[in-house]
Amino acid sequence: DGGITQSPKYLFRKEGQNVTLSCEQNLNHDAMYWYRQDPGQGLRLIYYSQIVNDFQKGDIAEGYSVSREKKESFPLTVTSAQKNPTAFYLCASSFLGGSGYTFGSGTRLTVV
Amino acid sequence: QKEVEQDPGPLSVPEGAIVSLNCTYSNSAFQYFMWYRQYSRKGPELLMYTYSSGNKEDGRFTAQVDKSSKYISLFIRDSQPSDSATYLCAPYPRQYDKVIFGPGTSLSVIP
Repeated sequence: DGGITQSPKYLFRKEGQNVTLSCEQNLNHDAMYWYRQDPGQGLRLIYYSQIVNDFQKGDIAEGYSVSREKKESFPLTVTSAQKNPTAFYLCASSFLGGSGYTFGSGTRLTVV
Repeated sequence: QKEVEQDPGPLSVPEGAIVSLNCTYSNSAFQYFMWYRQYSRKGPELLMYTYSSGNKEDGRFTAQVDKSSKYISLFIRDSQPSDSATYLCAPYPRQYDKVIFGPGTSLSVIP
């Protein structure tokens, strides 16, 4: 079955450490996105990519980094520069041209 | 003014009620409109997708768009406890993929 897979589901990080969240899709979608969701708040865009080897900053890119070396994969690194990283992170993908987003099941990151 | 606004709720209704979820937007360039449903601790899933003004029906769900008023509604008929979730409206411009998500309305359907 086609879909989008995020891993791990839960992640704990010590302050000062970088962590990488995985996002893989087998839907042949061109575009991929990373969102952050805090309790009671909507989705805030971190980074997005419409083609391989290219990506753009979203609204809250500071303290995060991404890569898009393969069409299927769009990993997100939460760096130690991100001051408040505890949140629910969602990855999504879509075809170019507006067919709707498919979301992964999310990764809940907690800084301990 | 935020680009997309929704009443956050929570909205609590008895089972079988008709639910009306509303969303307003400020950017007249928005041409496509989507509604997503998000269960607790899960990723959002696409519920309805519409382009034109007017109504679009899918089972118990009806999406209504009024571009002149920049107002979007989602109606749920015969609401079920399984409809308890957060509903996000998501408008976006033609030819762009960058969707703007509303903050969501939390709905609870009480058996």
